Amino acid sequence: SQQGEEDPQALSIQEGENATMNCSYKTSINNLQWYRQNSGRGLVHLILIRSNEREKHSGRLRVTLDTSKKSSSLLITASRAADTASYFCATDPYTGGFKTIFGAGTRLFVKA
Amino acid sequence: EAQVTQNPRYLITVTGKKLTVTCSQNMNHEYMSWYRQDPGLGLRQIYYSMNVEVTDKGDVPEGYKVSRKEKRNFPLILESPSPNQTSLYFCASSERQGGEQYFGPGTRLTVT
Repeated sequence: SQQGEEDPQALSIQEGENATMNCSYKTSINNLQWYRQNSGRGLVHLILIRSNEREKHSGRLRVTLDTSKKSSSLLITASRAADTASYFCATDPYTGGFKTIFGAGTRLFVKA
Repeated sequence: EAQVTQNPRYLITVTGKKLTVTCSQNMNHEYMSWYRQDPGLGLRQIYYSMNVEVTDKGDVPEGYKVSRKEKRNFPLILESPSPNQTSLYFCASSERQGGEQYFGPGTRLTVT
């Protein structure tokens, strides 16, 4: 029962531009996280935002969360070629346990 | 160095031949999880564990078994692999429920 949906599926931009990725989910959550994956390697945690937070920053990353719309966005500012990767949102629903639901991801390509 | 290790990294096997993929973490994390990643589907949770001897099903548990006899290890067992279990598998661990997950490097499994 996938609940994270991301758009766009793929995004191609020039170095220096901003990249925005969106994630929608279906059920109430405790937290929402964003991860990055380079070419089939293990995922790396970027940022976590709690359900009672609306916005969070970390370096060039800005994450927003709108629980009324069940959606989140990840903004990468001043993108670099090294930001080329796939980005996934992950939610842990209120069902308890350690359930985690990932979206299908956005593939970002940053052209130098 | 804090890490999650998986073995083997690559495995080609035949239908019906039992196999085990090992996962070990050195961070003393209570929470561990297995995911499979297939093109266009993101990561789907197979099983998770919240502590020693405590395991539960994720979204796609059919055809898999797990055990958690020690805190650091969480092996994934395929008793009778089938071609539809050809996938990229990730193990992950976390210090707390809903917290940042640390991922292993992945195991690419092909079942012929």
